[in-house]
Amino acid sequence: DIQMTQSPPSLSASVGDRVTITCQASQDISKYLDWYQQKPGKAPKLLIYDASNLETGVPSRFSGSGSGTDFTFTISSLQPEDAATYFCQQYDNLLITFGQGTRLEIK
Amino acid sequence: EVQLVQSGAEVKKPGESLKISCQGSGYSFPRRWIGWVRQMPGKGLEWMGLIYPGDSDTRYSPSFQGQVTISADESINTAFLQWSSLKASDSGMYYCARAPRPGVRGVWGQGTLVTVSS
Repeated sequence: DIQMTQSPPSLSASVGDRVTITCQASQDISKYLDWYQQKPGKAPKLLIYDASNLETGVPSRFSGSGSGTDFTFTISSLQPEDAATYFCQQYDNLLITFGQGTRLEIK
Repeated sequence: EVQLVQSGAEVKKPGESLKISCQGSGYSFPRRWIGWVRQMPGKGLEWMGLIYPGDSDTRYSPSFQGQVTISADESINTAFLQWSSLKASDSGMYYCARAPRPGVRGVWGQGTLVTVSS
């Protein structure tokens, strides 16, 4: 299986801050990485697909970059409604795997 | 609109069997991999396995091989997840999801809560 190492496990930031989360794959996955947001009691919501493409309807403050093994997810200006857990997911092959998640708290 | 609609919450006793469902609409169901994701309370997400409804090719994650059965009926655009003998440790939220593939975006169902308790 491809292992996804996501960091940090949790973080706390203030409204307006720039927030960055990283995922590292255990082998080359090209651009085949998604970023999801999950709020309590809800299904995960797709934010970024193919590493850097913004899903329709998702605010432009969310962005993704990277390829190969190293990927970054950024919120350019944190908003109160961004409090959630964020997951990366690789789909280079049919053994799809997730990162461990990052719990984002608003100070 | 692409949509996945899952069956409702279940409460079962250990040793009972269970089959939950996920109906897709708005896309070519037989031609897209669809699978199941487990989320235990307060924990992360785990893919359990995938099926290609068009030919029933099924792939299981190693941790779930032999523990569950994934199937699909393309005539009703529905995928299934089945247990033959539930354990308390099977309690959790189960999501169906159209699997992301190159050129195909992931789509998720709303989740089915399974509670196994004596």
